[in-house]
Amino acid sequence: DQQVKQNSPSLSVQEGRISILNCDYTNSMFDYFLWYKKYPAEGPTFLISISSIKDKNEDGRFTVFLNKSAKHLSLHIVPSQPGDSAVYFCAASLNAGGTSYGKLTFGQGTILTVHP
Amino acid sequence: NAGVTQTPKFQVLKTGQSMTLQCAQDMNHEYMSWYRQDPGMGLRLIHYSVGAGITDQGEVPNGYNVSRSTTEDFPLRLLSAAPSQTSVYFCASSYLGQGGKLFFGSGTQLSVL
Repeated sequence: DQQVKQNSPSLSVQEGRISILNCDYTNSMFDYFLWYKKYPAEGPTFLISISSIKDKNEDGRFTVFLNKSAKHLSLHIVPSQPGDSAVYFCAASLNAGGTSYGKLTFGQGTILTVHP
Repeated sequence: NAGVTQTPKFQVLKTGQSMTLQCAQDMNHEYMSWYRQDPGMGLRLIHYSVGAGITDQGEVPNGYNVSRSTTEDFPLRLLSAAPSQTSVYFCASSYLGQGGKLFFGSGTQLSVL
């Protein structure tokens, strides 16, 4: 049973436009959410995170939105750049105050392609 | 600063063979973990450790063993490889309480024939 789902396997956008990557989760106990970016032949790298007590977190061109009632989060990239082309994974964790922080449940990933 | 180092990068095994995937980090992180990535499945947690001498199972631990004798090293052992263990394996580490902000190695691509 996939507790974290990314239903779009791929997304293609034009350089300069907005990229919106979506993620849904089923476990209402998740209280911390993260996005990771992965280039081919490399490990994932942390991009941005959000606690369940917030509904938005921004870092430069990247903004994550959390809708707890819908159990949905999204990553907005504005403006998109060709270097943003990568696989994006959303992840969720339980018990934000404890040592289970590192126990992440990942979505399947979305391949983002940004065309020049 | 090397970060998280995984060896080997590629490995081909025959069914029933054993091997150890190595993972070392130089950031003095308490938390270390192993994930496997399969097509359409995302990354799934195999085993993790919150410090030397302490290990625990993740979501998919069967067929794998781990130990943590030092803070720096967290090897993953396959005792009797099976084709179902064909995957890309990632080691990751972090300080405890870092909110899941893991540092990943570059991965080991394993094929079991």
